[in-house]
Amino acid sequence: QVQLQQWGPGLLKPSETLSLTCAVYGEMFSGYYWTWIRQPPGKGLEWIGENIQGGSATYHPSLQSRVTISLDTSKNQFSLILTSVTAADTAVYYCARYDGANYFDYWGQGTLVTVSS
Amino acid sequence: DIQMTQSPSSLSASVGDRVTIACRASRSISTYLNWYQHKPGKAPKLLIYSATRLQSGVPSRFSGSGSGTDFTLAISSLQPEDFATYYCQQSHSTPFTFGGGTRVEI
Repeated sequence: QVQLQQWGPGLLKPSETLSLTCAVYGEMFSGYYWTWIRQPPGKGLEWIGENIQGGSATYHPSLQSRVTISLDTSKNQFSLILTSVTAADTAVYYCARYDGANYFDYWGQGTLVTVSS
Repeated sequence: DIQMTQSPSSLSASVGDRVTIACRASRSISTYLNWYQHKPGKAPKLLIYSATRLQSGVPSRFSGSGSGTDFTLAISSLQPEDFATYYCQQSHSTPFTFGGGTRVEI
């Protein structure tokens, strides 16, 4: 059974860098797109971006200048880096697996990240 | 970006009711449409993929229909555990986008 377990700081100040990591258990790391999705309080889900082993990352255009999704294949982990955060980046962040053809089938438990001075 | 519009944004229903939720894409996405169930404090759960295909382990009371720009999620007989928020999502092209959600409540 595939499991995604994520972690990272829950409180940041404006202008700081958000860093979250997601570990993948029970499945091969290769062949899938590893993805980050977020949900601001009271709002819907927003796709942040994805990366795949041996390929290139793709990001939401609105975040492209600030975001990096990197893979550590030796540890079966992937990470999200979001620089220069503001209050608008306050959200629950989810890691997820995209099967490459259609859908997000496995998700992490979510991490609430609050940006506040 | 492809915009996804869900309706209604919320609905009240009772156990045993048939419920339908609509999702419209701003342009044709063929059948690249998925439905998720989301409960507070939990990760979203995939229910339907490719517009009509039931994800393994999901009860058969859930069904999906549609293609092109108009899609529907139906719950044939609402159960207590079905009270949640439901999202559609297009996987036609990046950036992948979600509908605004439909909250199903008692």
